[in-house]
Amino acid sequence: GDSVTQMEGPVTLSEEAFLTINCTYTATGYPSLFWYVQYPGEGLQLLLKATKADDKGSNKGFEATYRKETTSFHLEKGSVQVSDSAVYFCALSDSGTASKLTFGTGTRLQVTL
Amino acid sequence: GAGVSQSPRYKVAKRGQDVALRCDPISGHVSLFWYQQALGQGPEFLTYFQNEAQLDKSGLPSDRFFAERPEGSVSTLKIQRTQQEDSAVYLCASSPGTGRSEQYFGPGTRLTVT
Repeated sequence: GDSVTQMEGPVTLSEEAFLTINCTYTATGYPSLFWYVQYPGEGLQLLLKATKADDKGSNKGFEATYRKETTSFHLEKGSVQVSDSAVYFCALSDSGTASKLTFGTGTRLQVTL
Repeated sequence: GAGVSQSPRYKVAKRGQDVALRCDPISGHVSLFWYQQALGQGPEFLTYFQNEAQLDKSGLPSDRFFAERPEGSVSTLKIQRTQQEDSAVYLCASSPGTGRSEQYFGPGTRLTVT
């Protein structure tokens, strides 16, 4: 079945550092790929998405590129802020009509001054 | 506008009790999903509704779990004879369409079974 593998956290960075959170997936067909973020005390929010190979999703300075050849969707940001501290989830939606999401286990990011 | 709301936000149940968790989706959203999130894990799919029809319940872990959405709006997830392994955060999400459109999540209900 479908699966998503994320790098384990926590990831601790200083403010203005470069961020990469790795995500790889296994799926039959051509899934859509997502990054969701969960800030402390809040619900899951969609951060960005990509629906086909070589698409780049971007939002709030975060980017991720759908790489079919390496089945990856790594999240990057050039300069993190303390306010980016949260848990980040990589997810996929398979090519069926019911677009249920399959999530990774999440990566906690802690940004310090 | 109002987002997805869930109630109660926290629920403590003694083992063997029945619980009912409510989800109010965004008005007009066709699709509704329930997920279960154990501590330190990602959400896992439980069931999916398109309007009032339950089209996929493959993720429900046992026949103690039951979900309904009788009028195609509010949904209730019921767990009978709760067990300790049912302790988790239960997330509801709604989506305006039936394809791979964005899902909007509620804040979740944290269920603790003692």
